[in-house]
Amino acid sequence: KAGVTQTPRYLIKTRGQQVTLSCSPISGHRSVSWYQQTPGQGLQFLFEYFSETQRNKGNFPGRFSGRQFSNSRSEMNVSTLELGDSALYLCASRRDEVPSEKLFFGSGTQLSVL
Amino acid sequence: AQTVTQSQPEMSVQEAETVTLSCTYDTSESNYYLFWYKQPPSRQMILVIRQEAYKQQNATENRFSVNFQKAAKSFSLKISDSQLGDTAMYFCAFSSSSNTGKLIFGQGTTLQVKP
Repeated sequence: KAGVTQTPRYLIKTRGQQVTLSCSPISGHRSVSWYQQTPGQGLQFLFEYFSETQRNKGNFPGRFSGRQFSNSRSEMNVSTLELGDSALYLCASRRDEVPSEKLFFGSGTQLSVL
Repeated sequence: AQTVTQSQPEMSVQEAETVTLSCTYDTSESNYYLFWYKQPPSRQMILVIRQEAYKQQNATENRFSVNFQKAAKSFSLKISDSQLGDTAMYFCAFSSSSNTGKLIFGQGTTLQVKP
């Protein structure tokens, strides 16, 4: 069974641009969540999607958005990039059939904003 | 708001020895889940062990075990017979039982296992 796949693995953008990151969950997983990891702030929850609807949202500005498609694949978009958006963006998925289910993480997309 | 604190930024241990990583958390909820995740250089977060707050028995997974002290809001990870492959960053995490899709992570502890 394939794991959580994130593309691309590395991305370099300049300030003011926008970027879209992609996440393909494990087959059969209906929930996808996104996290931002930086050396200074650590791992922070961005949002969670379930059945194409945003179910949870972290404390990030509106420049960060996401969506989920009918096949559970998810995309995350950051508009008007700032230097501080440089981070590792991690996606995680789970079946979401019982509360104690574990999350399966992808290897992340490393975004560098110049 | 819930918080998770890991007070040891870095630790090292000799191969085959035992090491304990500390974690404290703060919540007003009575039911929740606690986790330890490992992040090796490959960057992929891997679940090491999880504990459900309503279970008094400490979770164990092979060489990994936890000491869960609910009243003290403490959740430490013990790694026995440390192996070189255990070298990684370890994160303690919390999720509410009413919001299990959101993990709150500690700052992490970098563990180096020395030969």
